[in-house]
Amino acid sequence: AAGVIQSPRHLIKEKRETATLKCYPIPRHDTVYWYQQGPGQDPQFLISFYEKMQSDKGSIPDRFSAQQFSDYHSELNMSSLELGDSALYFCASSLYGGTGELFFGEGSRLTVL
Amino acid sequence: AQSVTQLGSHVSVSEGALVLLRCNYSSSVPPYLFWYVQYPNQGLQLLLKYTTGATLVKGINGFEAEFKKSETSFHLTKPSAHMSDAAEYFCAVTGGIYNFNKFYFGSGTKLNVKP
Repeated sequence: AAGVIQSPRHLIKEKRETATLKCYPIPRHDTVYWYQQGPGQDPQFLISFYEKMQSDKGSIPDRFSAQQFSDYHSELNMSSLELGDSALYFCASSLYGGTGELFFGEGSRLTVL
Repeated sequence: AQSVTQLGSHVSVSEGALVLLRCNYSSSVPPYLFWYVQYPNQGLQLLLKYTTGATLVKGINGFEAEFKKSETSFHLTKPSAHMSDAAEYFCAVTGGIYNFNKFYFGSGTKLNVKP
């Protein structure tokens, strides 16, 4: 079965650069979530979208923005990168009103040098 | 509001021993409850879930969990630990049918399995 696809899987950037992560949800899923997991940390909720509209916002820095497109894929844009942004970024998708669970991608590992 | 508490950030058991990972939740509405497992450098994988119906739910890899409303608990168990069970386990809760979109994770429990 198709899963959540994230790209790129690995990304290395310099401080103050910009990065974009992409997430392709499971077909027919209408909700996308973004999580950040620092080294040895728990996943922290950043932001979610339902039907292309922001549905909830967590601890997402102002330097970050995200959107969900008409084909339901989502992009997380990160600007003015800092060393502390180095983390594993997970995308998850779900179907609103479905069985409730989130389906996670394998993550995109961002390293900021 | 919903929240999840996982007791014990690290649990160590011997191979073949019982695994018990504790999860308590708070919720003002009937919750949906989940356990996820994360292996190093991988995404979170659903182990099992409770939505409605039978309170004892069975998941993958021999794990099961019991929803106890009176205790607001959803502890994860496995009768006999295997080395391959070493991973981090996350309990999660949503607002059930009232609030699908909000998903709350516990702080995780790292399971170590000793030979």
